[in-house]
Amino acid sequence: RKEVEQDPGPFNVPEGATVAFNCTYSNSASQSFFWYRQDCRKEPKLLMSVYSSGNEDGRFTAQLNRASQYISLLIRDSKLSDSATYLCVVINAGNNRKLIWGLGTSLAVNP
Amino acid sequence: DAGVTQSPTHLIKTRGQHVTLRCSPISGHKSVSWYQQVLGQGPQFIFQYYEKEERGRGNFPDRFSARQFPNYSSELNVNALLLGDSALYLCASSSIGGTTDTQYFGPGTRLTVL
Repeated sequence: RKEVEQDPGPFNVPEGATVAFNCTYSNSASQSFFWYRQDCRKEPKLLMSVYSSGNEDGRFTAQLNRASQYISLLIRDSKLSDSATYLCVVINAGNNRKLIWGLGTSLAVNP
Repeated sequence: DAGVTQSPTHLIKTRGQHVTLRCSPISGHKSVSWYQQVLGQGPQFIFQYYEKEERGRGNFPDRFSARQFPNYSSELNVNALLLGDSALYLCASSSIGGTTDTQYFGPGTRLTVL
């Protein structure tokens, strides 16, 4: 089982739709969680951190479910500009401080 | 403030050659990490350096090496290039290098090995 798994998609949704992505992780000791956005042929950019209590930033909401070991990203009122690949990142505890990346979920918002 | 910068932006090499990629972190950031991203996949961790010392190493062969300089800039070296080394090489900087740090990426160096 991969350490971090995402549905690669693509998710094709119309403008204005609500779309949600999940990301599962295998290590129950994982400490920190993030969502990054990556546009085609560009570098990843931090979208939001994921806190235990959940957090919201405008149209974006991130949730953490430790019991089921997944994080989620909800996008409301999708815009054309939301089309991108969304990568989840998990950081484990311990001396190995590397970030573990999912393969990303591709989102296409259509007019 | 300038973000993370990387050079060169694009590079074409042939098999067996050597390549050096360069990265300058955000001013004040002391940690630099290197990633390899193959098309259609997420970034794969190669190295992390903090205060000029290697903090972590991913599952890459010894052909890959890196170092960090006193000004916190970093170089990634790849020897004996293989076709499979063709990828986008990303550098990310963070302020502390701990597990909860946010990483900020440079635009990457796109390496093509022919």
